[in-house]
Amino acid sequence: DIQMTQSPSSLSASVGDRVTITCRASQSISTYLNWYQQKPGKAPKLLIYAASRLQSGVPSRFSGSGSGTGFTLTITSLQPEDFATYYCQHSYSTPYTFGQGTKLKIK
Amino acid sequence: EVQLVQSGAEVKKPGESLKISCKGSGYRFTSYWIAWVRQMPGKGLEWMGIIYPGDSDTTYSPSFQGQVTISADESITTAYLQWSSLKASDTAMYYCGRQGMATITGFDYWGQGTLVTVSS
Repeated sequence: DIQMTQSPSSLSASVGDRVTITCRASQSISTYLNWYQQKPGKAPKLLIYAASRLQSGVPSRFSGSGSGTGFTLTITSLQPEDFATYYCQHSYSTPYTFGQGTKLKIK
Repeated sequence: EVQLVQSGAEVKKPGESLKISCKGSGYRFTSYWIAWVRQMPGKGLEWMGIIYPGDSDTTYSPSFQGQVTISADESITTAYLQWSSLKASDTAMYYCGRQGMATITGFDYWGQGTLVTVSS
């Protein structure tokens, strides 16, 4: 199985900040990498697919990059509604494992 | 409008069986993979397995193989996750998610989740 490792596990930031979350795969997954946002009590929401493609309806302050084994999710100009937990997930080969999550907290 | 609507919360005793559901609407149900994802209390997301309702092709995560059964009934556009003998450690929120048209497109629609509580 391909293991996904996110860093950091938690992150404190302020409204208006720029933040970056990193995800590393245990082997090359090309660009088969997705990012999700999850708020408490809610289902995950797809933000980015294919490493850098913005899902329809997602604000442009979210962006993704990377290929192979290293990926990043960047949020520019944090908004109050962005404080949530973020997960990466690969879809290269089953099982499509998730990273352990990054909790983004208000500073 | 694409929707995945899951069955309601369940409270069960250890050893009991359970089948929860995920009904798809607003799209061609047989053309998209449906996955099940577990989230234990206060923990992260775990991919359990996936089914293609068009031909019932199913793949399980090794962590869940033999522990659950995933199935689908295309006539009522519904996917299922079932247990034959629940354990307390099965207590979790379970989500279904639709994989987009290709594996590279991620899970674009999700159900609202079904909370399963297993307690004696």
